[in-house]
This record gives sequence, structure tokens and C-alpha cells, in this order.
Amino acid sequence: GQQVQQSPASLVLQEGENAELQCNFSTSLNSMQWFYQRPGGSLVSLFYNPSGTKHSGRLTSTTVIKERRSSLHISSSQTTDSGTYLCALDGNSNNRIFFGDGTQLVVKP
Amino acid sequence: EAAVTQSPRNKVAVTGGKVTLSCNQTNNHNNMYWYRQDTGHGLRLIHYSYGAGSTEKGDIPDGYKASRPSQENFSLILELATPSQTSVYFCASGDDRGTEVFFGKGTRLTVV
Repeated sequence: GQQVQQSPASLVLQEGENAELQCNFSTSLNSMQWFYQRPGGSLVSLFYNPSGTKHSGRLTSTTVIKERRSSLHISSSQTTDSGTYLCALDGNSNNRIFFGDGTQLVVKP
Repeated sequence: EAAVTQSPRNKVAVTGGKVTLSCNQTNNHNNMYWYRQDTGHGLRLIHYSYGAGSTEKGDIPDGYKASRPSQENFSLILELATPSQTSVYFCASGDDRGTEVFFGKGTRLTVV
């Protein structure tokens, strides 16, 4: 079964609204990372966050290991936030990295 | 600064031809990965490596070979390219401690 489940699959917001993206994982965690990708673009790391809460500007990531979930909160969304957000899990075995299918975010002006 | 460099960035190949995608990392990471990304499938792991001389099959290895001749270099080889291998390919590197993973900018491969 899929190791990493992301939700929602897609999200449409009006500029200024907040977004909460979820990542749930079914395997033990070595590390968790959130990426951003523009259409046709490369993956840009937003957060490396194996546990706890981290902030970066309008973005906040929270990982709760015992609940096997990580979230990405975007406050006061902007049109430039549109793109795909991916979470990636490095499990404890084999150093394999498992990706969720991503959340497609569209922020309308 | 951590860096993963892929070449070429774009490639058009003919069906049945051989294609080699190259990846170089200057992070001194043991682990390297090759993914392909297609609409509706997200990122899928093709091959990965724990270090020089090692290659491991990922989730979709069929039709692909990999080579890790050194710590820095990890190649993906399509011996007989097919149109179904048209995709965007990403290389990544990461260390054993599960810290950040770094990606290259991707290679857009079109097999005609």
C-alpha cells in the first residue's frame, strides 16, 4: 500500500485565504520534507521537519510522529503560491524516500 | 551549497535508441535516486543507490538500468527507449542520517 497519503488532492483558494495541507504516513519516520513545485519546474525544499513545528514566512510545518502525520499551513495565500506541494518521507529502512501524490494548489486573484 | 546537476536538461530520442541521463552531486551524499514524474502518477522511484558501485531497484525499474561509478555520479540508462518512457526525470541525493534531500532541475525526455 501507499506509504504516504496527501490531502486534499487539489485545492482552490481566493487570494488571502489560508490553506492546510496534510500528509499521513503508514511507516516509521526517519525524516519528513515538504517540497514545492511549479508546473514544469524543479522541486524546491520548503521544510525539512522530522518532528515539531517550523516556520518560514507565511508557511508553517508541523510533524507529529506518534500520530504519523505532517501538515503544511499557508497563511494569507498569494497567487504566486499556486503549484504542487509534495511531502516526502524517509523511512527507517533502506533509506528509501516515499513521496505523496501531491496537492495541486490554485490561488485565484 | 548543496548541488545536484542533471544533464541533459532536454532530450529527444528515437524509439529503440539508447539514452543515458547523467546526474552529478557535490554534497558527498551516499544515497542517490532517480525518479520519473508523470501527470497522475506523482514521483515514482526507478532506481537508487547507497554508494559507489551499488544500484537498487525502485518501484518501476523495468526498461531502465542504473550505474553508480563514483560517489558523485549516478546515471540512468535506457538501452532501448520506448515512447512510454517519455517523461520528466529527476535525480536526487541524500545522506544516511535522513536529513534533507536535494533534487536536480530535471530532464525532459521525449521518445518519438
